[in-house]
Amino acid sequence: DAKTTQPTSMDCAEGRAANLPCNHSTISGNEYVYWYRQIHSQGPQYIIHGLKNNETNEMASLIITEDRKSSTLILPHATLRDTAVYYCIVSSASGGSYIPTFGRGTSLIVHP
Amino acid sequence: GAVVSQHPSWVICKSGTSVKIECRSLDFQATTMFWYRQFPKQSLMLMATSNEGSKATYEQGVEKDKFLINHASLTLSTLTVTSAHPEDSSFYICSARDQGGRAAYNEQFFGPGTRLTVL
Repeated sequence: DAKTTQPTSMDCAEGRAANLPCNHSTISGNEYVYWYRQIHSQGPQYIIHGLKNNETNEMASLIITEDRKSSTLILPHATLRDTAVYYCIVSSASGGSYIPTFGRGTSLIVHP
Repeated sequence: GAVVSQHPSWVICKSGTSVKIECRSLDFQATTMFWYRQFPKQSLMLMATSNEGSKATYEQGVEKDKFLINHASLTLSTLTVTSAHPEDSSFYICSARDQGGRAAYNEQFFGPGTRLTVL
């Protein structure tokens, strides 16, 4: 599975959009990009995933560049409860064979 | 979404004792569950894959005789930390995949974690 690079930490004002980048320059054609987040002392929570098209759900939007070497998770209106560590994972496995492998992630702090 | 529970949520034990942690999928069946460990300020590390009705598959460096995994039913996996020592103090998290495929990509759901402190 391709490796990912994320900034160690970011901060964002409440109510503003939080844009979390992830570099995955060695991604291959069949690898998906997954995003999870972990609020302090809780289990990880799935956010969104995509292959090459941009994706949007009730939690966030995922923008994948055309060359697929990077992506951005967008929380359109960040709240204090969005403070968490966000993990970007790239994996060729999907469905029954996919097992998330977590890196260091980005610690997002949303401030008032 | 589907719910995964863990019990207990935290436990404190003496060195040398064994501790059992339960992971349950509450509203779906999971033939495969996963156990992770997370030390303070570090990321989650996969310990083992728990398979219903068969032996668990352990990641390299994880002692299978120390971390006993039993997956006796489609909704329950247990992790027993045997002869626990202070260095085993950690946050243990399980996850399960909804085999029923309510999500097209078989989304994986995580439990809330169990904090183990060994004195």
